[in-house]
Amino acid sequence: SAVISQKPSRDICQRGTSLTIQCQVDSQVTMMFWYRQQPGQSLTLIATANQGSEATYESGFVIDKFPISRPNLTFSTLTVSNMSPEDSSIYLCSVGSGPWAGELFFGEGSRLTVL
Amino acid sequence: GENVEQHPSTLSVQEGDSAVIKCTYSDSASNYFPWYKQELGKRPQLIIDIRSNVGEKKDQRIAVTLNKTAKHFSLHITETQPEDSAVYFCAATLRDNYGQNFVFGPGTRLSVLP
Repeated sequence: SAVISQKPSRDICQRGTSLTIQCQVDSQVTMMFWYRQQPGQSLTLIATANQGSEATYESGFVIDKFPISRPNLTFSTLTVSNMSPEDSSIYLCSVGSGPWAGELFFGEGSRLTVL
Repeated sequence: GENVEQHPSTLSVQEGDSAVIKCTYSDSASNYFPWYKQELGKRPQLIIDIRSNVGEKKDQRIAVTLNKTAKHFSLHITETQPEDSAVYFCAATLRDNYGQNFVFGPGTRLSVLP
């Protein structure tokens, strides 16, 4: 399976600021995704990061709030813009990998706390 | 779209006992059902999965069963150990979809009491 590295692993941010999370994969992958996990909750897909084109966002998530880049097949970034305390969550990068590229693997996550 | 329910939300068992977590899904087109274990402060990790052409799969102390007709699948952990304590998530999706369209259940917090 792919090795997925995320940074920062955690951060404390001030209300109204923005933070960019980076995700690096050790091999080229077709599909990369960004998930949010609010405290004590399940995993919610924010968007699919498409290489060379705009990300595909799920209902309830918009590009202005969560701009995503994917410049190549091994790297993606997620920015959380104009943060509020409600954005305090773990943000997880994930990729489709494995022998048939359909198993989902997660990075270590980035724990954001917004004050 | 797909909807996945999971029960129970919390489960406590004595060390050595068995634990069973059940999930139901709504979309009959789903054909891949993975289970993830998430220890406190760590990433979700794939522990076992099953495809719709198989009714049961076992890997040491863990097993998963699938009933396509009833649209439910279950995780079975035997001889539980304290290190099995974690949150477990089930999911459903279409296989060969390159990781897309995974729908996760709400999770089950398993506590194994020594």
